[in-house]
Amino acid sequence: DAKTTQPTSMDCAEGRAANLPCNHSTISGNEYVYWYRQIHSQGPQYIIHGLKNNETNEMASLIITEDRKSSTLILPHATLRDTAVYYCIVRAAYGNKLVFGAGTILRVKS
Amino acid sequence: NAGVTQTPKFQVLKTGQSMTLQCAQDMNHEYMSWYRQDPGMGLRLIHYSVGAGITDQGEVPNGYNVSRSTTEDFPLRLLSAAPSQTSVYFCASSYTSSGSDEQFFGPGTRLTVL
Repeated sequence: DAKTTQPTSMDCAEGRAANLPCNHSTISGNEYVYWYRQIHSQGPQYIIHGLKNNETNEMASLIITEDRKSSTLILPHATLRDTAVYYCIVRAAYGNKLVFGAGTILRVKS
Repeated sequence: NAGVTQTPKFQVLKTGQSMTLQCAQDMNHEYMSWYRQDPGMGLRLIHYSVGAGITDQGEVPNGYNVSRSTTEDFPLRLLSAAPSQTSVYFCASSYTSSGSDEQFFGPGTRLTVL
């Protein structure tokens, strides 16, 4: 599984968009980019995933660069409840293994 | 749907005791797995199952046993608890093993071994 690099922490003002970057320069062609978050040591919560195209759901948008070596998770209107650790994970096309790194601590401030 | 449920939520054991952490899902998912999370660290895979009757080891399997007799349940057994097994344990499930299927996590069991 390809490794990912994320900033240790980020701050975001409430109501503004939170843009969380992730570098995965060794990703292979059939590996997916997944984003999870963990709030207060609860179970990780699935946010979004993508392979090549940009993706959007009710929680967030995922922007993947054309060379797939990096991606950005966008929370369009961050709230205080979005304060959490955000994990960017590269996952193989087959197999249910998720390799969690240290993630990014996102602090949303009022 | 209840999703992925885990019991108990908290447990304190003495060194050498055994116990079983329970995990159940009601989504008819074929794949289930166990992770542990130590303070300030990411999750590490202990064991996983691709379907009833089939299990395999993950990254940190030593000291743990699993079985999968039904699609719904995937218990994790600690045979002889050690302080190094103090951790938060998460169970997860997904519909298939495909990389396109998201995993859903339970709320966790917080285990302390004295």
